[in-house]
Amino acid sequence: SAVISQKPSRDICQRGTSLTIQCQVDSQVTMMFWYRQQPGQSLTLIATANQGSEATYESGFVIDKFPISRPNLTFSTLTVSNMSPEDSSIYLCSARTVTHEQYFGPGTRLTVT
Amino acid sequence: GESVGLHLPTLSVQEGDNSIINCAYSNSASDYFIWYKQESGKGPQFIIDIRSNMDKRQGQRVTVLLNKTVKHLSLQIAATQPGDSAVYFCAENISYETDKLIFGTGTRLQVFP
Repeated sequence: SAVISQKPSRDICQRGTSLTIQCQVDSQVTMMFWYRQQPGQSLTLIATANQGSEATYESGFVIDKFPISRPNLTFSTLTVSNMSPEDSSIYLCSARTVTHEQYFGPGTRLTVT
Repeated sequence: GESVGLHLPTLSVQEGDNSIINCAYSNSASDYFIWYKQESGKGPQFIIDIRSNMDKRQGQRVTVLLNKTVKHLSLQIAATQPGDSAVYFCAENISYETDKLIFGTGTRLQVFP
């Protein structure tokens, strides 16, 4: 398995600002992902964080709004840029192990005012 | 903590009874499936997985059944306990190479004493 931590656990931000969320895995994993979970809803994949190269974004998500870094096998960041109230959500990091299991972090609860 | 699944279908069971949570998946080419448990204020917790070459897999108090003919997945929890109360999501892996997960809408399980 993999243990995943995220920082910050929650934040309240003003519109127009940006927030960077950090994700740290306790062991080497093959792939890392970022998801969004809006209140009362299921999880939606934002992007796959690729080590040493640009992230792969899903339809509806763009790099200018959600820049992602993954400098090594165990760490990734997601930035939510130029925030609006519609960005209020839970942002979750996940990681895939060599046996293809995916584990999730505790999430970052973002409120934009 | 922040509530998850405010408007999700709900299954209510008495403590000690067996629970069955159902999920219809979307892609007939999906080859790997995972059940997650999400408690309020926490990230999804890996429960059990199953590959498409199997139709049943058992864990500790949990069993997952896969019916590829009708694209249906179920999670059975034996002797349900109050600690099992949570929102349960099924997820399908549409590509073994990319490991992108598509999540179902979720089911809230409520366990009454």
